[in-house]
Amino acid sequence: DQQVKQNSPSLSVQEGRISILNCDYTNSMFDYFLWYKKYPAEGPTFLISISSIKDKNEDGRFTVFLNKSAKHLSLHIVPSQPGDSAVYFCAARTEGEKLVFGKGTKLTVNP
Amino acid sequence: DVKVTQSSRYLVKRTGEKVFLECVQDMDHENMFWYRQDPGLGLRLIYFSYDVKMKEKGDIPEGYSVSREKKERFSLILESASTNQTSMYLCASRRGGYTEAFFGQGTRLTVV
Repeated sequence: DQQVKQNSPSLSVQEGRISILNCDYTNSMFDYFLWYKKYPAEGPTFLISISSIKDKNEDGRFTVFLNKSAKHLSLHIVPSQPGDSAVYFCAARTEGEKLVFGKGTKLTVNP
Repeated sequence: DVKVTQSSRYLVKRTGEKVFLECVQDMDHENMFWYRQDPGLGLRLIYFSYDVKMKEKGDIPEGYSVSREKKERFSLILESASTNQTSMYLCASRRGGYTEAFFGQGTRLTVV
């Protein structure tokens, strides 16, 4: 059973607008959540993380929000740029220090 | 900069062959991971090693084994390759107790 769920396989936004990528999880013991970005034929690269004791973390154009009661997190990208077009993976760290990933959301930013 | 290097970008192997995928990291990280990425399925954890000679099964260990004799190297072994193991394989490493893991460039394995 998948513990980290990204229910939207794809998202398309206009350049300059906000991109919102969503992620739900089932395991309340996750202590950190991470977002990775992946281009085709490359390994994923780390974007931003958030501790389970926080509700927001910001880094430049990227902000991650965590709603523990809803077991939901989201990544906001403002403003979106064409270079942001990639697959975004949500991940969570388990109490055993493993990293589990969602299925990914393909973001397309149109010029 | 952390560097995680996977020995091959592309591999083509025959069904039944024993296949070794090698991963080396240069940052003295304790934790190392092997994932496979398939369309519509995301990244699925095959095996995790939290230190030398220590390993744990991930979500899909069947048909795979691993070896971690030295801290910098984590090998994924396909004992008898099958066509359903055709995939992109990704290795990652991380300092113990930290959150961010660093990935290699991936190995695209095709089993024919």
